[in-house]
Amino acid sequence: EDQVTQSPEALRLQEGESSSLNCSYTVSGLRGLFWYRQDPGKGPEFLFTLYSAGEEKEKERLKATLTKKESFLHITAPKPEDSATYLCAVRGTTDSWGKLQFGAGTQVVVTP
Amino acid sequence: DVKVTQSSRYLVKRTGEKVFLECVQDMDHENMFWYRQDPGLGLRLIYFSYDVKMKEKGDIPEGYSVSREKKERFSLILESASTNQTSMYLCAGRGPTGELFFGEGSRLTVL
Repeated sequence: EDQVTQSPEALRLQEGESSSLNCSYTVSGLRGLFWYRQDPGKGPEFLFTLYSAGEEKEKERLKATLTKKESFLHITAPKPEDSATYLCAVRGTTDSWGKLQFGAGTQVVVTP
Repeated sequence: DVKVTQSSRYLVKRTGEKVFLECVQDMDHENMFWYRQDPGLGLRLIYFSYDVKMKEKGDIPEGYSVSREKKERFSLILESASTNQTSMYLCAGRGPTGELFFGEGSRLTVL
């Protein structure tokens, strides 16, 4: 069974203080690893897809990287508007339908 | 991007009531999904559909059913709502490269 573990559960940062979120996964074969941002009371917003170890994707202050066992979401010089819950999800090669297995998320708070 | 619209953002229902949650996607894509999200438990898959009138159970289908009569519309049905079904419900459509695009969510409270 596919499993996704995110750490830490919560992260409090000062504005400008860079940090990284971790997503560890267990999957029979990786078809894709997905990062989402979720604001309170709203649906998750798609950020990145990573497909193979060594791959990196960037969007503004966010950079996602992938190894064979985990992914990191690096937040560089965060601003208060980066405050959100960040979700990681995987899709395994045994899935034929596009189902994603989600982690519980990391809640990030960036203070001015 | 796939745009997914959920008809109700907030609902309050009584125990035993029948509840319909509606979801519409604007792309001609087959796969649609219903998840629920609870604090500490993350997103859990309830049901999904890969074509009109075709459906498959997810990880937690008990107490729920679904309907897909048209390709763009996927409904979640709670036949007899219970308090443990109080949750945030999220509908998603699958994009062309495997990512899911979510609606804004429907916050359901069952009293």
